[in-house]
Amino acid sequence: ETGVTQTPRHLVMGMTNKKSLKCEQHLGHNAMYWYKQSAKKPLELMFVYNFKEQTENNSVPSRFSPECPNSSHLFLHLHTLQPEDSALYLCASSQGVFGGDSPLHFGNGTRLTVT
Amino acid sequence: EDQVTQSPEALRLQEGESSSLNCSYTVSGLRGLFWYRQDPGKGPEFLFTLYSAGEEKEKERLKATLTKKESFLHITAPKPEDSATYLCAVPVYGGSQGNLIFGKGTKLSVKP
Repeated sequence: ETGVTQTPRHLVMGMTNKKSLKCEQHLGHNAMYWYKQSAKKPLELMFVYNFKEQTENNSVPSRFSPECPNSSHLFLHLHTLQPEDSALYLCASSQGVFGGDSPLHFGNGTRLTVT
Repeated sequence: EDQVTQSPEALRLQEGESSSLNCSYTVSGLRGLFWYRQDPGKGPEFLFTLYSAGEEKEKERLKATLTKKESFLHITAPKPEDSATYLCAVPVYGGSQGNLIFGKGTKLSVKP
């Protein structure tokens, strides 16, 4: 399998549930990202991990908790979410030195609905 | 404040009808401008990176150009399979790698 794989593709959860999103990249990259895509809004960066270390937290609420055990895997743990958190959550990866020679490669996302 | 604005929001073309999409940007120091294509239910797919004014890149029916204030994605003789949302993005000035500001996109529909 190649590219960036995200599971599950769809998730419906209640406001009191705890769930996790998973991302795996098979590109040999060492940086991984979580982006959020809401309806009628541009993609927003949430977190950046470089060589397993978090280098960016874009003022994301603590109900979103990322985990990066190694350069190939990234998780987003969710708890006590709000309906406005419903969105498409996209994982991406890139080589260590970001730039034109190593753009972001995105997975197909997890469509999250909070009820 | 760094900003990216895309226009139009939506564009409907007949097959073979050429047109252009616009991406205007305001950033403190441009470190590249990226074009992506996004199909429904999928993540964005990388198309091009442009670095300096005057630069052009081509891929099949698509050609991207860059000036000091905006970028254009020209679509020549489009086909229905070119229907998608096209996104442009620039790195946040002073931000960490991968910290991109995206536009809201242009949704392109090409009718046979």
